[in-house]
Amino acid sequence: DAGVIQSPRHEVTEMGQEVTLRCKPISGHDYLFWYRQTMMRGLELLIYFNNNVPIDDSGMPEDRFSAKMPNASFSTLKIQPSEPRDSAVYFCASSSAPTGHYEQFFGPGTRLTVL
Amino acid sequence: GQQLNQSPQSMFIQEGEDVSMNCTSSSIFNTWLWYKQDPGEGPVLLIALYKAGELTSNGRLTAQFGITRKDSFLNISASIPSDVGIYFCAGPIIQGAQKLVFGQGTRLTINP
Repeated sequence: DAGVIQSPRHEVTEMGQEVTLRCKPISGHDYLFWYRQTMMRGLELLIYFNNNVPIDDSGMPEDRFSAKMPNASFSTLKIQPSEPRDSAVYFCASSSAPTGHYEQFFGPGTRLTVL
Repeated sequence: GQQLNQSPQSMFIQEGEDVSMNCTSSSIFNTWLWYKQDPGEGPVLLIALYKAGELTSNGRLTAQFGITRKDSFLNISASIPSDVGIYFCAGPIIQGAQKLVFGQGTRLTINP
């Protein structure tokens, strides 16, 4: 079975440019999560969706960040305009855990470098 | 907010040695998850614990849910080179909500 798929795996861009990260969750999973990982702050949850609806976006750093989930098999995280401090590894994860369970399955990540 | 503290932050061991690491919180958790992250990859779920006192194994890995519900332990027996990586504990911030908090990780390095 295919796991969580993310693209691109690496992205290098210049400050001020728009960046779009893509994620395909595991088929049948109804939760989708976007995380950011840096050395300083570790793994941070940015936003998560349930059945394509954003549930909690309190981790989104600022208005430059936006996320969408137009259907059950696709989500995007957009940064516009990008800044050097956005450089990090961005992970998408999905889950379909029954009540009281919390297992999340991560994609391979997108390493973003903003010059 | 809730935080998970992992100890040690890093470990340097010889191949074949056993490994022990732990995760503690000032708050009670009803679920503990242990993940491993290889370089350049996403975290992979190793073990999930749902009951205080529970001891669960996955091959050479054994994890325990502390009876106080404020800690969890992960042991690796007879370490091999592929055990190298960062080990994270995680738990739900709010019981019933899918939002997880992660520890800062324990980085394991193995000398062959």
